[in-house]
Amino acid sequence: GESVGLHLPTLSVQEGDNSIINCAYSNSASDYFIWYKQESGKGPQFIIDIRSNMDKRQGQRVTVLLNKTVKHLSLQIAATQPGDSAVYFCAENMGAQKLVFGQGTRLTINP
Amino acid sequence: EPEVTQTPSHQVTQMGQEVILRCVPISNHLYFYWYRQILGQKVEFLVSFYNNEISEKSEIFDDQFSVERPDGSNFTLKIRSTKLEDSAMYFCASSVLTVADTQYFGPGTRLTVL
Repeated sequence: GESVGLHLPTLSVQEGDNSIINCAYSNSASDYFIWYKQESGKGPQFIIDIRSNMDKRQGQRVTVLLNKTVKHLSLQIAATQPGDSAVYFCAENMGAQKLVFGQGTRLTINP
Repeated sequence: EPEVTQTPSHQVTQMGQEVILRCVPISNHLYFYWYRQILGQKVEFLVSFYNNEISEKSEIFDDQFSVERPDGSNFTLKIRSTKLEDSAMYFCASSVLTVADTQYFGPGTRLTVL
């Protein structure tokens, strides 16, 4: 079925530390995955994406890892900053013209 | 940097009234979407639109909903007779292509149905 979920609803890390946000998906046919950041009162902001023919992709301070064997996706944020505090959603595209979002993880950066 | 814009930012309406939410997608994008997010919940797909037609819609997108691209820049979502449970944030998104292409979201319209 259509199910994209997250392992932890909240995550707190110290400023400067690295954070890892996890996501499980259920549809093995999904071929495109995206991480979005949502700050309070704003729309989802694209962070990074990865296609199913890859297992790792790096951006600026962010890395996405895809493990198709266990249907697991993660977002790593290096050297977290106060501006990283937000809710992070994973989303998957199953070849249709829509994204299926997970529930979201609230990341809090402690000073 | 081009961005998706939405108006109004907040719409308050009485139950049973019609509302129109407006979006201006990124100019070179061809695919347009509406999603909604009930407070504290995940973002849910409503409808996708391409070439002046609905491409795909969810079970949420019933006969009370309609979408339109009235001109070359605007993309609208109309709810004919609002219900209390329609209260949510409504996000417009657009993408250049579809099927595994990045969708960029607008800031949303908060709809409150009283």
